[in-house]
Amino acid sequence: NAGVTQTPKFQVLKTGQSMTLQCAQDMNHNSMYWYRQDPGMGLRLIYYSASEGTTDKGEVPNGYNVSRLNKREFSLRLESAAPSQTSVYFCASKDVAGEYEQYFGPGTRLTVT
Amino acid sequence: TQLLEQSPQFLSIQEGENLTVYCNSSSVFSSLQWYRQEPGEGPVLLVTVVTGGEVKKLKRLTFQFGDARKDSSLHITAAQPGDTGLYLCAGRPSGTYKYIFGTGTRLKVLA
Repeated sequence: NAGVTQTPKFQVLKTGQSMTLQCAQDMNHNSMYWYRQDPGMGLRLIYYSASEGTTDKGEVPNGYNVSRLNKREFSLRLESAAPSQTSVYFCASKDVAGEYEQYFGPGTRLTVT
Repeated sequence: TQLLEQSPQFLSIQEGENLTVYCNSSSVFSSLQWYRQEPGEGPVLLVTVVTGGEVKKLKRLTFQFGDARKDSSLHITAAQPGDTGLYLCAGRPSGTYKYIFGTGTRLKVLA
């Protein structure tokens, strides 16, 4: 039982390049989330998926797209990376109802030069 | 935009001291969670509070949810070096699946 896994762990991009961050969970959770964490900013929600087949914008969705590929996988795509997207990205999953815990992945550290 | 502000932002104390971290908002939340994050890892849940005025204890940590469900506090008694980390509060607005995270409090406990 691996929990929430994220790939890659580190990535350096040049401005304008594209990439997809992968996230998978093996806990049969319905809800999945993508956050970014910047120094002094806590975590900010980019997109979330309450259940398979649905996605919704969070606080900072501009410049990102997501795909809920199936119940296990939720990917985050940067179409044209910008230096402002340099951050640590965390994926999380949660059971659908109530106040169950969000389980976080180990994060992807992205630098855009 | 719903905001959760935490204070203090940084805290450096000696082992054995007590401390309180605050999480404040002008918005009402159906529940509030506290997480601790170690360097290079994702946040890990400490507690969830759901009822206004609720108090929960986890060993030396005491969590309280405000009566109006707009604020929360985390009190640590006799802090230890193992308590060092980034503490984050996260509130869930009613009727949504999303969470709003606070700005974080970075705690360092010196031996």
